[in-house]
Formats: sequence, structure tokens, C-alpha cells
Amino acid sequence: DAKTTQPNSMESNEEEPVHLPCNHSTISGTDYIHWYRQLPSQGPEYVIHGLTSNVNNRMASLAIAEDRKSSTLILHRATLRDAAVYYCILRPKYSGAGSYQLTFGKGTKLSVIP
Amino acid sequence: DSGVTQTPKHLITATGQRVTLRCSPRSGDLSVYWYQQSLDQGLQFLIQYYNGEERAKGNILERFSAQQFPDLHSELNLSSLELGDSALYFCASSASNGRSSYNEQFFGPGTRLTVL
Repeated sequence: DAKTTQPNSMESNEEEPVHLPCNHSTISGTDYIHWYRQLPSQGPEYVIHGLTSNVNNRMASLAIAEDRKSSTLILHRATLRDAAVYYCILRPKYSGAGSYQLTFGKGTKLSVIP
Repeated sequence: DSGVTQTPKHLITATGQRVTLRCSPRSGDLSVYWYQQSLDQGLQFLIQYYNGEERAKGNILERFSAQQFPDLHSELNLSSLELGDSALYFCASSASNGRSSYNEQFFGPGTRLTVL
């Protein structure tokens, strides 16, 4: 499986934008880039995903490099509630068979400073 | 609230014992995934069931087993427990209808197992 590399930790001031990087230099053409986050004492939750184009949703934006070897999760205004571990995960395109379990790395622990 | 429920929330038991963790998926979701989260190994996939059938296995020990019942709830059975089995166990569910490009998984709050 293609692997991802993320910084172990990052800090952000409250109400400022946060850019969380992820490197995935061995990504295949059919891999989707997913982001999940895990708030303290909770299970992981889906944040956003993309294939080639940049994506926006109510939680965040995902910027994908043109060569797809890296991506950046953007939180436009960090709040205290955004303090969590953020996981960048590669998942193959659904092919009608098999399992689509998530393979978690160590993620980036984001601290938000009031 | 993800819509996935897990019971019990906490479980304390002794080495050598057997426990059962229960998961109820979101209404309509056919797939159930089990994950283990420990301090040294992080979040690891254990096993997946889809509509009652085992679909995939990950790093699941032979002492562990799972099943999914006709009402789609799932149970994870852990036997001959060892100290190293102490961890958070998460269940996740997804629709797995084959048409979604992302097959989002919804995680429960987890069961914290402590083996003494």
C-alpha cells in the first residue's frame, strides 16, 4: 500500500488558518486521498477526500498537488474544537469487491492556542 | 453523534478471560469494521463484515473473532486475554453500496478494554 508522511505535530493560533501537509509520493492513479481526524476521547471522523481536483466542504478544504504526490488539508479558521489528530489516508477506488478498510498512520497532532 | 453505538464503554477484566464487545451500525449500513487503538501500535484494522459475511481480515489475532448478525449488529470476541490486549476498540460502519467514491466510515465512541 502507498504510504503517507505527515509531521508529528503542529500548532496554530485560534481563528487563524491551518495548513496540514501530507506527502504521498508513491500514490497510484486510482488512490483517493482521504482525511480523518480524531478528537480527544472520540472515534475518528471523516473530514474530506479528493482525487485530483481541490475540494471544499463545510469542515475544510483539500488542496492536491498537480502531480498528486502531496496534499494539504486547510482549516480556514482554527477553533479550539479543531484540536485533534489528523490522519491523511490513501484509499483505492472502489472496484466492486474487497474491503475498504482505513490504514492509519501516526497522523499530525494539531494543538490550537487560544 | 455518528449513529454508531458500542457497548460497553469500559471493560476491566483479568488475563486469561474472555470478553465480548458489541457494535450497532448506523441504520442501513451493511458494513462493519473493527479497529484496535493502542499506544504503541496506533489505530489498526482488525476485521470487516459485510451483510453478515466476513469481507476482510487485518491484523487480527487468532484469539479474536467476530461476527455480524442478521440485524447487522456485530460482536467482537476476545479470548485468553493478555495484558497487551488492553486498548481502545472501535467499530465503524459504512454503506458500502459500491457507488460512492469515498465510502465514508462512521466510527463509534469505542470500548476501552483494560486487562489486569
